[in-house]
Amino acid sequence: GESVGLHLPTLSVQEGDNSIINCAYSNSASDYFIWYKQESGKGPQFIIDIRSNMDKRQGQRVTVLLNKTVKHLSLQIAATQPGDSAVYFCAESRGSQGNLIFGKGTKLSVKP
Amino acid sequence: NAGVTQTPKFQVLKTGQSMTLQCAQDMNHEYMSWYRQDPGMGLRLIHYSVGAGITDQGEVPNGYNVSRSTTEDFPLRLLSAAPSQTSVYFCASSYLGSGGDTQYFGPGTRLTVL
Repeated sequence: GESVGLHLPTLSVQEGDNSIINCAYSNSASDYFIWYKQESGKGPQFIIDIRSNMDKRQGQRVTVLLNKTVKHLSLQIAATQPGDSAVYFCAESRGSQGNLIFGKGTKLSVKP
Repeated sequence: NAGVTQTPKFQVLKTGQSMTLQCAQDMNHEYMSWYRQDPGMGLRLIHYSVGAGITDQGEVPNGYNVSRSTTEDFPLRLLSAAPSQTSVYFCASSYLGSGGDTQYFGPGTRLTVL
C-alpha cells in the first residue's frame, strides 16, 4: 500500500552543526507535504510545508527540499540547537485539506 | 485561546470497559480529527470530521466511534476497550482548505488497556 517512511530512525548531531532528516514517500498523487516536530510528552507541532509545485522552501533555520523524481523529502536544520532535540515526522496528503499520512519519525539528538 | 484541549491526560482501563476521550477547540475550526500513535510509529488517522454533524473513517477506525454535535467538541468513544488500543491519542483541528500551518494538535491522552 501507499506509505510514507523515513530513512534514518535516529540522528545524533553536535550543537551548531547542520542536520538533515530524510523522508521517502510512495504515493505519487500526494501533492502537499508537511514536517512536524514532536517533543517528549507533547503533540506534533507544525514546522514547515511544501507543495508539489515547489522544489524548495525556506523558513527560519529550516529548509524543506522536495524531489518528486525520486519521491524524496528532506528537512534541513541550520545551526542545530539543543532545543531542536525531538522526533521529526514528515506527512503527506493529496491537497492541503486532504487527510494526512505520517511517516514513522526520526529522533534527533543534539549534543552540547 | 486555549487551542486544542484533551482530557484526560492519562487513563488505565480494563479489557471490555468503555470510555470517552474528550477533545475541544476554541478556534472555530471546521476540521477535527483523532490519531493514535504507537511506539516507533507515526500517527495514524482514526476518524475525522469536516463540520458539525459530519464524520468519516480514517485509516484505523475499528473499535472507535465519534460524533460531532458541535463545532467545538469531537469526542472519541471506545465501546469495549482491548489491549491493542493501548496507545497515545491525539486530537487535531484546522480550518478546512487550509494548510498544515493551521493544524493544531492537542497534548495527547495516554491510554493503557490491561
